[in-house]
Amino acid sequence: RKEVEQDPGPFNVPEGATVAFNCTYSNSASQSFFWYRQDCRKEPKLLMSVYSSGNEDGRFTAQLNRASQYISLLIRDSKLSDSATYLCVVNLSNDYKLSFGAGTTVTVRA
Amino acid sequence: DVKVTQSSRYLVKRTGEKVFLECVQDMDHENMFWYRQDPGLGLRLIYFSYDVKMKEKGDIPEGYSVSREKKERFSLILESASTNQTSMYLCASRSIRGLQETQYFGPGTRLLVL
Repeated sequence: RKEVEQDPGPFNVPEGATVAFNCTYSNSASQSFFWYRQDCRKEPKLLMSVYSSGNEDGRFTAQLNRASQYISLLIRDSKLSDSATYLCVVNLSNDYKLSFGAGTTVTVRA
Repeated sequence: DVKVTQSSRYLVKRTGEKVFLECVQDMDHENMFWYRQDPGLGLRLIYFSYDVKMKEKGDIPEGYSVSREKKERFSLILESASTNQTSMYLCASRSIRGLQETQYFGPGTRLLVL
């Protein structure tokens, strides 16, 4: 079993739609969770951290479900510019090391 | 803005060659990382450096070594390149502010080993 697992997609959605996807992680004691965004042929960049109570940043909402060991990302009112691969990132051992999922690809079409 | 730069965007090398990949960050971060990214596998940590001259092996250190002689510079060395080291190599430096941590990535080096 992978330590951080994501549905690879692709999720193909029309502009304006809502899209959501999850990521599961293996260590129930993990404390830090993140979503990174990676555009095609570019480097990953931090999209948002995921806090225990859930958090929003504009059209993006991240949630943490500790009981089931998953985090989620929801994108409302999708824009063409949201097309990217979204990487789930977990600090599994609460040290320096981050574990990356393989990414979920989202394509927003006009 | 944090800037992380890598010495090359694309490299083509032959099997057995020694390869140097360099990474420089301008934010005085103590922690720096080298990853490789392959389709379907995500980013995998090769080596980590938590300060000058300090290093720790990541998940896949075999065939690689690193050097951190100055705080801003972290080098990845492939002692004898092999075809299975064809990959995208990403360097990152880490910022920690309270509970918020961020890894800043360089643009990546696509290495092809023939």
